Amino acid sequence: GQQVMQIPQYQHVQEGEDFTTYCNSSTTLSNIQWYKQRPGGHPVFLIQLVKSGEVKKQKRLTFQFGEAKKNSSLHITATQTTDVGTYFCAGPHSGAGSYQLTFGKGTKLSVIP
Amino acid sequence: EPEVTQTPSHQVTQMGQEVILRCVPISNHLYFYWYRQILGQKVEFLVSFYNNEISEKSEIFDDQFSVERPDGSNFTLKIRSTKLEDSAMYFCASGRTPRNYGYTFGSGTRLTVV
Repeated sequence: GQQVMQIPQYQHVQEGEDFTTYCNSSTTLSNIQWYKQRPGGHPVFLIQLVKSGEVKKQKRLTFQFGEAKKNSSLHITATQTTDVGTYFCAGPHSGAGSYQLTFGKGTKLSVIP
Repeated sequence: EPEVTQTPSHQVTQMGQEVILRCVPISNHLYFYWYRQILGQKVEFLVSFYNNEISEKSEIFDDQFSVERPDGSNFTLKIRSTKLEDSAMYFCASGRTPRNYGYTFGSGTRLTVV
């Protein structure tokens, strides 16, 4: 079945350092979505990318969607303690008429002040 | 900002008991979902619901599970006879469209089966 893989599983950075998480799908995606889950919290939708090669920015966060629409990345510049959490990518299931999202396992970011 | 509301926030139940998890989706959303997350693991799809019927369900969503939208606002997940492995965080989510533009997740119900 469809798989969405993320690396790394964990990342510890000093405050002010940059952070990147990578997402790869076994199938071509119609879109890729990114969510952030704070410790003890629920996933919060960050952004959706739709077009091949698309790049979107939200302040210090930069999201990319690969040309083949099978991979994506999230880059955070100059991390802050408020960035702590787990970042998940998710893609629509490849089945026709499917409504579900397939989530990656997430990258847990720790920021050392 | 509109929210998806889930109750209770934490439910402890004995193995074999029935539990009902409740959700109030965002009022103008049409697509409703239940996902679960076992501690420290990824978010897993259980079921989607549209137009008052199940549109899709995963292998996890076996005969022990059911969903209902008993009125215009509530959306419930029932587990008929809980097992230890049902212990997880259960998230309700809703969306304006299927597959696109992101879901809004509720804050979850932590189910502990003892």
